[in-house]
Amino acid sequence: NEVEQSPQNLTAQEGEFITINCSYSVGISALHWLQQHPGGGIVSLFMLSSGKKKHGRLIATINIQEKHSSLHITASHPRDSAVYICAVRSSETSGSRLTFGEGTQLTVNP
Amino acid sequence: ETGVTQSPTHLIKTRGQQVTLRCSSQSGHNTVSWYQQALGQGPQFIFQYYREEENGRGNFPPRFSGLQFPNYSSELNVNALELDDSALYLCASSQTGDYGYTFGSGTRLTVV
Repeated sequence: NEVEQSPQNLTAQEGEFITINCSYSVGISALHWLQQHPGGGIVSLFMLSSGKKKHGRLIATINIQEKHSSLHITASHPRDSAVYICAVRSSETSGSRLTFGEGTQLTVNP
Repeated sequence: ETGVTQSPTHLIKTRGQQVTLRCSSQSGHNTVSWYQQALGQGPQFIFQYYREEENGRGNFPPRFSGLQFPNYSSELNVNALELDDSALYLCASSQTGDYGYTFGSGTRLTVV
């Protein structure tokens, strides 16, 4: 697989610090972290091509040389429970297709 | 600013039938991509449309086809439905030169 995520499933207690990892094997022009709720709709959290981004309690980092990205959630809350998906836009193919990881199912218990 | 709307939200079809799914693109976006997401898996790229032409295709058979209209909305057509076509179908719109995407809520297709 071009995009691998770990772990597949993650259960945490409210307030815990959470890390989800993503490794990819192709050259990329951008990496996306997405959130998917049970209804199916996908919300874009971050788009990264280098460095680090922060939005509220969410932090995303990327290391282009190591082809690795992490999504961190500080002070996790039950409302963070969702599937988190890493997706890359390859620089090796034309067009704007995304290649997705399998997702990480996060459950935060109160 | 409008988002991406997909219709219908749910659909049940019989094996061998044909189905059409619809997607409106976000205002200002000229590219629409379609993805198939089987239960418990990540989405898989079906194809992409830009300026009313297919501009990239994933590993899907020809019975998966599409259209894009002058207003950049799009349709996904699937002929001769198979049980394995049961999935969530997502569309995403984007603008050429911009790496951001807006996703729809998906159409959940069940083939029985």
